[in-house]
Amino acid sequence: NAGVTQTPKFQVLKTGQSMTLQCAQDMNHNSMYWYRQDPGMGLRLIYYSASEGTTDKGEVPNGYNVSRLNKREFSLRLESAAPSQTSVYFCASGDRDRVYGYTFGSGTRLTVV
Amino acid sequence: GESVGLHLPTLSVQEGDNSIINCAYSNSASDYFIWYKQESGKGPQFIIDIRSNMDKRQGQRVTVLLNKTVKHLSLQIAATQPGDSAVYFCAEATSNFGNEKLTFGTGTRLTIIP
Repeated sequence: NAGVTQTPKFQVLKTGQSMTLQCAQDMNHNSMYWYRQDPGMGLRLIYYSASEGTTDKGEVPNGYNVSRLNKREFSLRLESAAPSQTSVYFCASGDRDRVYGYTFGSGTRLTVV
Repeated sequence: GESVGLHLPTLSVQEGDNSIINCAYSNSASDYFIWYKQESGKGPQFIIDIRSNMDKRQGQRVTVLLNKTVKHLSLQIAATQPGDSAVYFCAEATSNFGNEKLTFGTGTRLTIIP
């Protein structure tokens, strides 16, 4: 009963490097989301996917791309990392019936130096 | 744009007392609201939710109240325990042609004093 699994848990990147954050859910949810959380702030939506095959921009999409690989997996890619992207990234999933709200992963702490 | 905000960024409560965390939202089209608890180093954890056709919902030691007239949401925690110390977020969901987005407030840090 894993819920939402994110990898890696920690990552340090140099400015300009690229990386992909992985997220997988085993709850058969339709919707998946990527958020970032900065110190003292709430979670801000980067991208979301309402269903397999669709993706939409959230509040802060610049500098990111996403792929909804299948119903289970939703990845977030940083093509050219910048220090402003230092943050904690959370993946979440949910279903249209809204049972138990949205389930979050444990987060990826990313530092860009 | 639409936003969800909290009145108090920090709250300290004596163990055993009740606590109330407040949240204001501005999107009148929101139809679903959730409270999350986030402990240090962890992801947000679902506490309780409420749909817009309700004004109160109770869980184990928690109650959520929704006042749509003034766009206000509150979380009441009864008989607080040390394990209740965390940051609490309210969030609102607005359906948009099948695409649903969840918008979070900035959070309130609740500290339980032993």
